[in-house]
Amino acid sequence: QVQLVQSGAEVKKPGASVKVSCKASGYTFTSYYMHWVRQAPGQGLEWMGIINPSGGSTSYAQKFQGRVTMTRDTSTSTVYMELSSLRSEDTAVYYCARSPIYWYFDLWGRGTLVTVSS
Amino acid sequence: EIVLTQSPGTLSLSPGERATLSCRASQSVSSSYLAWYQQKPGQAPRLLIYGASSRATGIPDRFSGSGSGTDFTLTISRLEPEDFAVYYCQQYGSSPCTFGQGTKLEIK
Repeated sequence: QVQLVQSGAEVKKPGASVKVSCKASGYTFTSYYMHWVRQAPGQGLEWMGIINPSGGSTSYAQKFQGRVTMTRDTSTSTVYMELSSLRSEDTAVYYCARSPIYWYFDLWGRGTLVTVSS
Repeated sequence: EIVLTQSPGTLSLSPGERATLSCRASQSVSSSYLAWYQQKPGQAPRLLIYGASSRATGIPDRFSGSGSGTDFTLTISRLEPEDFAVYYCQQYGSSPCTFGQGTKLEIK
């Protein structure tokens, strides 16, 4: 069925990097954009950036510029989000979410909890 | 960036009642590119409405969206027990897309 399957929870130390994966299935991978949205504990939703699986182009929220990298592997229909220089404020659930050409999110992964703690 | 302010922060209602949730934008949302999501504890958000008033696939018709410009509304005509959750609005008319802070709909 149509779904996004994310990698498992991570625990990282401050200053480290984390790489989260999101595998798409049940639809044509290159026909939709993929976004990353995060949610800190008890907080709202925050958009981080977008990758076009077709050509690999990306656009990041200014807040994350220089710290986030989004990539994709078309052979496995998987997108990746790597966040570097982690700090405690980056503790959150990270979601991948699909959008058509207009950026509303019609399919979400279950989320990956990233905990940053010394 | 466009700031979305949702009100009220918490709405306490009973099953069968009508719920009206508001989302106000700091500047006009182009082409009514506004979406609504429902999120239950421990779950990912679920798309309810896009384009301000179009229901997503599989969403019951008790959910409806309206509005344009800077003022948008999500209405749930008759609340079912499964509707009690947190609701977020999102604008995608200009980058970066942004979310409101959420409205918690709780059982009275």
